[in-house]
Amino acid sequence: KQEVTQIPAALSVPEGENLVLNCSFTDSAIYNLQWFRQDPGKGLTSLLLIQSSQREQTSGRLNASLDKSSGRSTLYIAASQPGDSATYLCATSGTYKYIFGTGTRLKVLA
Amino acid sequence: DTEVTQTPKHLVMGMTNKKSLKCEQHMGHRAMYWYKQKAKKPPELMFVYSYEKLSINESVPSRFSPECPNSSLLNLHLHALQPEDSALYLCASSQELLALSTDTQYFGPGTRLTVL
Repeated sequence: KQEVTQIPAALSVPEGENLVLNCSFTDSAIYNLQWFRQDPGKGLTSLLLIQSSQREQTSGRLNASLDKSSGRSTLYIAASQPGDSATYLCATSGTYKYIFGTGTRLKVLA
Repeated sequence: DTEVTQTPKHLVMGMTNKKSLKCEQHMGHRAMYWYKQKAKKPPELMFVYSYEKLSINESVPSRFSPECPNSSLLNLHLHALQPEDSALYLCASSQELLALSTDTQYFGPGTRLTVL
């Protein structure tokens, strides 16, 4: 059974810092891995999708990497801004469904 | 249009009430999903519909009853809920059941349910 863990659970940084969020998964038989953002009480917004055959994806200040062999993915956020404050969830896509990680609550201080 | 809409945004109900949550998408997706998310927890899958047929039921109690009347609409009927069922209920859709590396789900904003 797939288990997805995210470290750290919470993170508070000053504006402008570069930061890394970590995601670990136990079963490497995935179709893809996706990073989502969730604002309090809101739905999920897709940030980046890394296909199982890819190593990384980039969008603006965000870069996500995937190492299937070690069961790890990282989300790198450059030059963080207060507007980046949210919960970040990674999710692995297996047979017909996503398994979500435990999430990292990020707060960027102005 | 890559939007999934959900109504209502908020719902408060008593344990003896019957209510329904509604989800709609017009992207031509043939798979639709219900998730339940408790505070500070990740979403947990409840049901999956594919081509308007129930494909996956993650052992959800019968007080939750899903319905997919057509390819654009997904309902979740609620009856005799418990206070511990209070949560954010998220709907999602995808082109087909997730089975390709490029497949992704699109999520709605959720319905915040409170059971008194």
